Amino acid sequence: DAGITQSPRHKVTETGTPVTLRCHQTENHRYMYWYRQDPGHGLRLIHYSYGVKDTDKGEVSDGYSVSRSKTEDFLLTLESATSSQTSVYFCATRLGQIPYEQYFGPGTRLTVT
Amino acid sequence: SQQGEEDPQALSIQEGENATMNCSYKTSINNLQWYRQNSGRGLVHLILIRSNEREKHSGRLRVTLDTSKKSSSLLITASRAADTASYFCATDDGFQKLVFGTGTRLLVSP
Repeated sequence: DAGITQSPRHKVTETGTPVTLRCHQTENHRYMYWYRQDPGHGLRLIHYSYGVKDTDKGEVSDGYSVSRSKTEDFLLTLESATSSQTSVYFCATRLGQIPYEQYFGPGTRLTVT
Repeated sequence: SQQGEEDPQALSIQEGENATMNCSYKTSINNLQWYRQNSGRGLVHLILIRSNEREKHSGRLRVTLDTSKKSSSLLITASRAADTASYFCATDDGFQKLVFGTGTRLLVSP
């Protein structure tokens, strides 16, 4: 998984609680991404970062926020979890802009009850 | 919205057969990439083809790109049971993001 870890790997939480997922990389890649994967939808981009403290929204950013205070860490926060946010969340990194591939972490399975 | 749409959604073949999956996309691209995802794992990059390339090979993988038709195909030759996975295309418009398709589930039976 190219030096990318995600924590926790599994989490069950209740509706309305805040949740933070962590992505940690050891590759010193500039770009970091958060995706969610749901059946029938493939991977959808939530937020991404193009440098420390530089972030932008993706396709499905509502209800999520991110922070990147260090190159190696990218945090995804569900401000008030809802059942529709039950999903598998993947972090990815990318060395540069183009034409580089992305490297994916192992994923976090989140269940909101 | 999804940029790439893979076809077929699912494919079942025997070991030794070839597997072909297709990807169509909507807008101009800088490059197109293919990824594999084994069950319960993260995606793994397979191959990247630039917009000025028409064909690219990597081991048993062959990728073609037709920018006039906005389509790409991934051919896996002499499939093995270990090739069982989901395969995704992703388009790169040259900025900071990839847009992934919904994937093709490949099952290779011994």
